[in-house]
Amino acid sequence: DQQVKQNSPSLSVQEGRISILNCDYTNSMFDYFLWYKKYPAEGPTFLISISSIKDKNEDGRFTVFLNKSAKHLSLHIVPSQPGDSAVYFCAVRGNFNKFYFGSGTKLNVKP
Amino acid sequence: EPEVTQTPSHQVTQMGQEVILRCVPISNHLYFYWYRQILGQKVEFLVSFYNNEISEKSEIFDDQFSVERPDGSNFTLKIRSTKLEDSAMYFCASSEARQGGPYEQYFGPGTRLTVT
Repeated sequence: DQQVKQNSPSLSVQEGRISILNCDYTNSMFDYFLWYKKYPAEGPTFLISISSIKDKNEDGRFTVFLNKSAKHLSLHIVPSQPGDSAVYFCAVRGNFNKFYFGSGTKLNVKP
Repeated sequence: EPEVTQTPSHQVTQMGQEVILRCVPISNHLYFYWYRQILGQKVEFLVSFYNNEISEKSEIFDDQFSVERPDGSNFTLKIRSTKLEDSAMYFCASSEARQGGPYEQYFGPGTRLTVT
C-alpha cells in the first residue's frame, strides 16, 4: 500500500536557506493534502494543508504547492530555522476520512 | 489551548493479553482516529470513528481490534489478544467534522505499547 511516497528520508539545510520537502501520491481522487511535523516522543503536529481545488497555500514561512497533474505535493520553508528540525509527514485524505501518510522526511537545519 | 490526551504513556503487556488504550479527544471534535507507528516506519491509519460508529478502517484493523466511545469524553482502542507485532506507538487524533474541510487532525502524544 504505497498511496503516498516521500522519497527523501532525510534533508539537510543551512539556517536561513529554503527547505523543500516533496511528496508524491497515486490516486487522483484524493481531495485534501496536509503536512505534519513530528518531534521525537511526540504526536504529529498539523502544519499546513491544501484543498485539491487550489495549487498553493501560504502560512507565514510555510508554503504548500500542489501539482495535480503530476500528483505531487511540496512544502517550502523559507527561511529555515534550527527549530524546524523534525520529521515531516505528508498526508492525503481518501474516502470517509481515511488518511494515508508518507514515510516522512527528517529535516535537519544547521545553524 | 485544547489538546488530545492519551493514557497510559507506556504499556507493557504479555503476548495474548488484552490491552485498552485510552484517549480524550478535543471536546468539540466529532471525528476520532487511531493510528500506529511501528519503530522507524510510517504512521499507519487504523480506524476513523464518527457518530458512534466506525466510518473507515484499514486492513490492519482486524477482529482483534475494537474501538469504543464509552462516554462523552473518552475514546478507546482495545486489542483483544496482543501479538508481538502489535508493539508500536499508538496515536489518537481528533478533528472537526465540517463538510469541505478543514480536515487537520490533532494528535495526542501517543501510547507506546510493548508486547513481550
